[in-house]
Order: sequence, then structure tokens, then C-alpha cells
Amino acid sequence: EVQLVESGGGLVQPGRSLRLSCAASGFTFDDYAMHWVRQAPGKGLEWVSGISWNSGSIGYADSVKGRFTISRDNAKNSLYLQMNSLRAEDTALYYCAKDSLPSVTTIFDYWGQGTLVTVSS
Amino acid sequence: QSVLTQPPSASGTPGQRVTISCSGSSSNIGSNTVNWYQQLPGTAPKLLIYSNNQRPSGVPDRFSGSKSGTSASLAISGLQSEDEADYYCAAWDDSLNGLWFGGGTKLTVL
Repeated sequence: EVQLVESGGGLVQPGRSLRLSCAASGFTFDDYAMHWVRQAPGKGLEWVSGISWNSGSIGYADSVKGRFTISRDNAKNSLYLQMNSLRAEDTALYYCAKDSLPSVTTIFDYWGQGTLVTVSS
Repeated sequence: QSVLTQPPSASGTPGQRVTISCSGSSSNIGSNTVNWYQQLPGTAPKLLIYSNNQRPSGVPDRFSGSKSGTSASLAISGLQSEDEADYYCAAWDDSLNGLWFGGGTKLTVL
């Protein structure tokens, strides 16, 4: 059974940093691209970032480019999101999602339950 | 604000057929495939339709997708109460070089 478990969320002050993690199991992690998608309270889905199976292809939404860094450790079956210079508008539930292919596509066939990030002073 | 436009709400009665539209442009829907996600209340999104009209295993054939030009549609036939959820379309945008979700459509089963 595919499982994606996010962690690392919490309350953080504007301008500070936070690192999210996603522990994957139930599939061959290094065979697939992975993504982060967020959802602000009461709002819709927003793609944040995606990374190919070997980290050779990485993409970011314009809203986080230059502030967030996605990475993965295939030996640990883990996906990460380093978030710097956090803003109030980054407040959201952050989902880890599995791609259907090794390269970055738009087909996310499994999702975690999310970790909540709240940016507030 | 998304580059993919969906109606904020839709509704239907049990057994009815409803459609949800997703309007885009030549740089997204016009040149890339569309996927649809279902988000039941309080849960994570779930892949419902991929590559315009393909259903993942386990998704009932009551759900179908189509695409024409710069627009796409999700159709749900034989509407059931458990279909009450938020529905999102998604597509890559070549000009903006990123994945975009539509704003979402809240489906109510009356």
C-alpha cells in the first residue's frame, strides 16, 4: 500500500524558515517524480514544486521561486521542502504527492494527508 | 487567481448527470493534457481523470472527461450523494512554465 506521510509543519514567524519532510513507502521511491502541493485554509489547490526521480529536473511555482527548495533522498525514501523567508500567504496545508512517471508530469496518483504550516507573528 | 477557470459551484439531484467545465488557453489546455481531482470534505485530493479522459483503476465509469480546444469538461452521470466534493482541473502551462489547478468547483447533491 502506497503511503506518504508529511511532517515538519507548525507555527513560524514571518521571515523565518521551516523544512518539511515526506516519508514514502509501499512503492519504489526512486522510480517516480514527486511534488509538493499546498492548500490555503478554505481555498483551492496550488502546485508548489516538483522533482524528477533523479533530481535532474526541478520546477517551482513563481510564488515560491527563490525562497523554497525541493530535494529528495532516494536512499531514505524521503522528499523535502526547505522553505525560507516565509510569508503570511504561505500559510497552508502542504501535501506531498507522487507522480505517475519518473519525469515531472501533471498526474499525481497518490497524495499524503498533509502538514499544516502557519506563518504568523 | 488561476489561469484555468471553473464555475465555483454546481449541483444536481441523485441520478442526474452534471458537467463541470474548465476553461483555459492555448498555452495550457490547448497544448497539454488535462487531469481532474476529487477532494471529498476533510480529505486529501484523489486523481479522478488523467490525460483528458482516462480513468485510474477503481474510479467508476460514471465519471468521464473530455477536452476540446482550450476547454475541458468533467461529466458525472448517475449522481450519488457520495459524489458531493470539490473538483479541480489541472494542466501544465507552457508560457508560465508551471502546473496550474483550476479554482475548484463545489458539487452539491440536492
